[in-house]
Amino acid sequence: DTGVSQDPRHKITKRGQNVTFRCDPISEHNRLYWYRQTLGQGPEFLTYFQNEAQLEKSRLLSDRFSAERPKGSFSTLEIQRTEQGDSAMYLCASTNFIGGTGELFFGEGSRLTVL
Amino acid sequence: SQKIEQNSEALNIQEGKTATLTCNYTNYSPAYLQWYRQDPGRGPVFLLLIRENEKEKRKERLKVTFDTTLKQSLFHITASQPADSATYLCAPPYGQNFVFGPGTRLSVLP
Repeated sequence: DTGVSQDPRHKITKRGQNVTFRCDPISEHNRLYWYRQTLGQGPEFLTYFQNEAQLEKSRLLSDRFSAERPKGSFSTLEIQRTEQGDSAMYLCASTNFIGGTGELFFGEGSRLTVL
Repeated sequence: SQKIEQNSEALNIQEGKTATLTCNYTNYSPAYLQWYRQDPGRGPVFLLLIRENEKEKRKERLKVTFDTTLKQSLFHITASQPADSATYLCAPPYGQNFVFGPGTRLSVLP
């Protein structure tokens, strides 16, 4: 299967700990997005990469969040000093953004629970 | 700032009927709009894209309309089936990313 994969699928951590999520996009896709989703809400944009360049970050993203996409392949999203409000599903999506459009292919998400 | 609203949090309909979901956007004019389906605990799955110069788009039992004057998109599922039960999200682009509505949870009752 060559879809978007995310790891881990579930993570339970204590407040104050650091967590890291990994996303492996569809290999030929040039764009990678990170979204966060809480229960009953739609996905909320966090950041996106065009190849290895991080081109936009949400103003809602605190300094505790950092994302990388070395060599334009997989991406990691790290949350430092986690807070209970960080509990959510973290979704990764990739696309080939051509001609001004691109359908997003999502992974199954990484669910974070902060105790 | 841009805002996306979907008609209702939940919609219950009887099997075989047509489900109609609404997406309204304010404060900007996207050139196109996408619709996604999301099942519980899963990532969203792309369904349809409609451009501003297209009034209507169809795919099997799905139909989407896009009214740029009303700033509204309608999503229809005809001959609905219990397997269509899911949350449906509209997602117009905003700049280089996509803004998702809160979704409408559709339940098709047998």
